[in-house]
Amino acid sequence: AQTVTQSQPEMSVQEAETVTLSCTYDTSESDYYLFWYKQPPSRQMILVIRQEAYKQQNATENRFSVNFQKAAKSFSLKISDSQLGDAAMYFCAYRYGGSQGNLIFGKGTKLSVKP
Amino acid sequence: DTGVSQNPRHKITKRGQNVTFRCDPISEHNRLYWYRQTLGQGPEFLTYFQNEAQLEKSRLLSDRFSAERPKGSFSTLEIQRTEQGDSAMYLCASSLTRGFYNEQFFGPGTRLTVL
Repeated sequence: AQTVTQSQPEMSVQEAETVTLSCTYDTSESDYYLFWYKQPPSRQMILVIRQEAYKQQNATENRFSVNFQKAAKSFSLKISDSQLGDAAMYFCAYRYGGSQGNLIFGKGTKLSVKP
Repeated sequence: DTGVSQNPRHKITKRGQNVTFRCDPISEHNRLYWYRQTLGQGPEFLTYFQNEAQLEKSRLLSDRFSAERPKGSFSTLEIQRTEQGDSAMYLCASSLTRGFYNEQFFGPGTRLTVL
């Protein structure tokens, strides 16, 4: 069975600095997708960034980038120039590449941003 | 607002009562998912529909849970004879089946408290 592990329950970063959130996963599939979702307090979950497993190039979305290490089954999220609005729970998620696409989530990392 | 909506946002009930939640997906999305999120955990998949057909159910979905999606539009999730362990946030998400990776868009959730 596929599993997603986030080993950092909480992280803290100073405003304008860079922080990296860790995620590892376990799967025997070769075709899959990986995601980072952000869940602000009392607000709905939104997609931050995605990575297709077959792509070697790491995905980037503005201040957010990933370090995808397929052999190591590692998928970390780097947030550059952290802003107060980045404070939230961050969930790493896996989805099998087939058409049945439910997400498997990690337990999340709570990110605090200090002014 | 054309996002995923869920009602009610909060529900407090007594143990043994039945509750029903509603999810309205993004209008053109034909796939709809239900997840459950307990405190300190990531969302866990419950079930999903493609149009009106319920295609997959998690083992988490006990006999007391039932979900419907009549006419392939909104969906309801009913919990019969609620137990304290049912207290959680119930999240709904929707997506298209066409498209490259079928991003799931989440609603704000319904927070259930069973006393």
